[in-house]
Amino acid sequence: EIVLTQSPGTLSLSPGERVTLSCRASQSVTSSYLAWYQQKPGQAPRLLIYGASSRATGIPDRFSGGGSETDFTLTISRLEPEDFAVYYCQQYGSSPGTFGQGTKVEIK
Amino acid sequence: QVQLVQSGAEMKKPGASVKVSCKASGYTFTPYYLHWVRQTPGQGLEWLGRINPYNGGTSYAQKFQGRVTMTRDTSISTAYMELSSLTSDDTAVYFCARALAADYYDTSAYPYWGQGTLVTVSS
Repeated sequence: EIVLTQSPGTLSLSPGERVTLSCRASQSVTSSYLAWYQQKPGQAPRLLIYGASSRATGIPDRFSGGGSETDFTLTISRLEPEDFAVYYCQQYGSSPGTFGQGTKVEIK
Repeated sequence: QVQLVQSGAEMKKPGASVKVSCKASGYTFTPYYLHWVRQTPGQGLEWLGRINPYNGGTSYAQKFQGRVTMTRDTSISTAYMELSSLTSDDTAVYFCARALAADYYDTSAYPYWGQGTLVTVSS
């Protein structure tokens, strides 16, 4: 199965800053079937990006995804207070689908 | 609007089984595969398997083969996940999640999730 490694583990940032999260796959992700989720405590994950760069319904355009094959990124252009959360990547190009271990974006 | 509503928290003893339900509403139940994902502090997010609500066909993660059973009742738009021979390692929040589109089968991104069901395994 494909192993996804996210970095860094934790980021301490201030509102208004720009942030880029990384997700590296142990082998190429088929058809760029890579998704990003946001999760807050006590909630289910929320789909932000699918197909590496397509925003899910209702997701603000400050969230953008990029990359291909084994290297993917999620960029938040300007952090809003509600963006402080844990972010996960997921590959769904090969079965079983797998998730990264998460990056926590916390308030500095 | 699409909603997935799961059954409530469960506390089980080692060796027991647990059955979690996931009731779908706001869309036609049968075309979209339903997947089950669990979340633990140690293993993170982990895919358990999926069910085809149209015909009941299933596919399970190798790790859970022989211990997990997924079923559905189309008359009430509800899917079920049963996990047997529970150990403390199965303590987790279990989520059901709907596939992105009707042509996503064994894998998918998940735009819709249930609220999660905490299963605690303890003697």
